[in-house]
Amino acid sequence: EVQLLESGGGLVQPGGSLRLSCTGSGFTFSDYAMSWVRRAPGLGLEFVSAIVSNSVDTYYSESAKGRFTISRDNSRSTVYLQMDSLRAEDTATYYCVKDESGRYRLAENWGRGTLVTVS
Amino acid sequence: DIQMTQSPSSLSASVGDRVTITCRASQGIGNYLGWYQQKPGEAPKRLIYAASSLQSGVPSRFSGSGFGTEFTLTITSLQPEDFATYFCLQHSSYWTFGQGTKVDI
Repeated sequence: EVQLLESGGGLVQPGGSLRLSCTGSGFTFSDYAMSWVRRAPGLGLEFVSAIVSNSVDTYYSESAKGRFTISRDNSRSTVYLQMDSLRAEDTATYYCVKDESGRYRLAENWGRGTLVTVS
Repeated sequence: DIQMTQSPSSLSASVGDRVTITCRASQGIGNYLGWYQQKPGEAPKRLIYAASSLQSGVPSRFSGSGFGTEFTLTITSLQPEDFATYFCLQHSSYWTFGQGTKVDI
């Protein structure tokens, strides 16, 4: 069974930094692209960032570009989201998402999310 | 950016009902669309991919249809475990999501 476990969320002041981690199990982590998606309170889901299986390509939303950095360590089956210069509007539940392929295509499996509060 | 307009935002239904949820794309996306179910406190679960392909392990009462700009998720004979929130995701250009449809009793 595919499992994705996010960690690293919490309360941070505006302008601060936070690093989210997501460890995958139940599948060959290095074969799949991974993404982060968020849901702000009362709002819909928003794509944040994605990284392909071999880290060659990364993708960012306009709101994440220049502030967030996605990376992965396939030896640890873990994907990271480094979030800098955080703003109140970054407050959200952040979901780790496994793609259906090694490229950035379609979400297949999701974690339960980790809450980030910027205040 | 491709916008996804999902409707309705909520609906009330009974066990055994047929339920239809629609997503409209602001421009053509072919069949690059998935449907997901999320229950409170749980991870979202993929039901449909490529607009109409049923995810392995998902009951056949779930079906998807559509191409281009209009897509539909249908649940025939709603079951108690189907009360949840459903959303669509387009992946033709980056990812954008429908706002979600809450199905309650």
